[in-house]
Order: sequence, then structure tokens, then C-alpha cells
Amino acid sequence: DAKTTQPPSMDCAEGRAANLPCNHSTISGNEYVYWYRQIHSQGPQYIIHGLKNNETNEMASLIITEDRKSSTLILPHATLRDTAVYYCIVRDLADTDKLIFGTGTRLQVFP
Amino acid sequence: GAGVSQSPRYKVAKRGQDVALRCDPISGHVSLFWYQQALGQGPEFLTYFQNEAQLDKSGLPSDRFFAERPEGSVSTLKIQRTQQEDSAVYLCASSLRGSLGYTFGSGTRLTVV
Repeated sequence: DAKTTQPPSMDCAEGRAANLPCNHSTISGNEYVYWYRQIHSQGPQYIIHGLKNNETNEMASLIITEDRKSSTLILPHATLRDTAVYYCIVRDLADTDKLIFGTGTRLQVFP
Repeated sequence: GAGVSQSPRYKVAKRGQDVALRCDPISGHVSLFWYQQALGQGPEFLTYFQNEAQLDKSGLPSDRFFAERPEGSVSTLKIQRTQQEDSAVYLCASSLRGSLGYTFGSGTRLTVV
């Protein structure tokens, strides 16, 4: 079973920041937080991952709370092409590497 | 190629027919995964290979499902005696190292009629 909880859907205006929350209250010390997204009719796409510290790359920023029980993915300037399902996943690298997906958050970016 | 390639892109099978789905991972990627995605759901893990070794097949739903990767590169997912509940998108992913993000293919959409 997925170890994360996400809202089923969110809306965001084009050009505004999209903040996608994720709860992972049972996360253990060895588990990373990963974010993927899936645009319609495509396979999931890796966005970003982190352990404790906040992370930023060309796609997004990841903010992890100090207790690591929740995180937020931030798309700083959402575009229509960011409309997708966003999955938050916790993963222990000591396991067999498999990702366990939940149902994700469907983000709709509108003009 | 630059990405993970899956074929066919679409497959329609009559109930009871056997199907074979192919995955060409990124060259040199050691890890290969198969996932099944039903409509409106997140991908569900089926099986995992490290090179040619199938290290985890705990997600295969029944003994009608079989996966292989004989030379540690191309993989085939075979479904025997297909049933309507097998209708889904089958996704393949590969990675160079477990700590990095996976690269997924676009999937094969299987429809059993």
C-alpha cells in the first residue's frame, strides 16, 4: 500500500505557483520522498526527490518539513503543460528499488 | 534510443488469447520494472529485474503473467489466456542505479474484448 496521502485534485491559474501537498506521517529515517508526474497518455516522469533538506531543480522545488511527516512540491510558475497527475512516493533505497504509487493529485492548470 | 521504448503501443486481444508485450530499456540500464495501470488508478508494481535476474515478482497477479529478460536488456511481459480484467496500460521503466529516478516508457494499452 502507498504510504502517502494526497488531495485527489487541485486547480491552479497559469503563471501562478502550484503547491502540491503530501502527507507521509509514517516515513522512516531511511526513506526518501520522490515526486513523479504523469501527463495524459504518457508514462510517469521523474521530477525531484529528497531526504531531509529542501531541494530545487529546473522543474520544481521540494519542501520537506523538519519532522519529515509531510512535504510540498512547488511548481513556481505553472503552465498549461503542467496539467498532470502528480504522485508523491516514499521509498527506502535498501528495498528492491520499486516505487509504490498511490492515486496522486490531479492538477489542472487553467488559462 | 534515448528513451524506454515499448511495443506495441496498443493491443486488442480476444478473451483467452495470449499476448506478449515488449520493452526496450535505455542502453546500459541495469534495473527494469513492469507496472500495470488501470484506468483512473496509479501504476501498480508487477515485477523487477536486475540485469537478467528477476529479483521480485510479487506483484504479478496470477500465474498467467510471466516476464523475462534473458540477456539483461530487452524484456517481454507475457499474459496467457487473457481476461477482461487484464485490460490496462502496461508500463515499463528502467534505471541505471536505484538511487536515481526511473525512466518510464509510454506504455502498451491492452484491451481484452
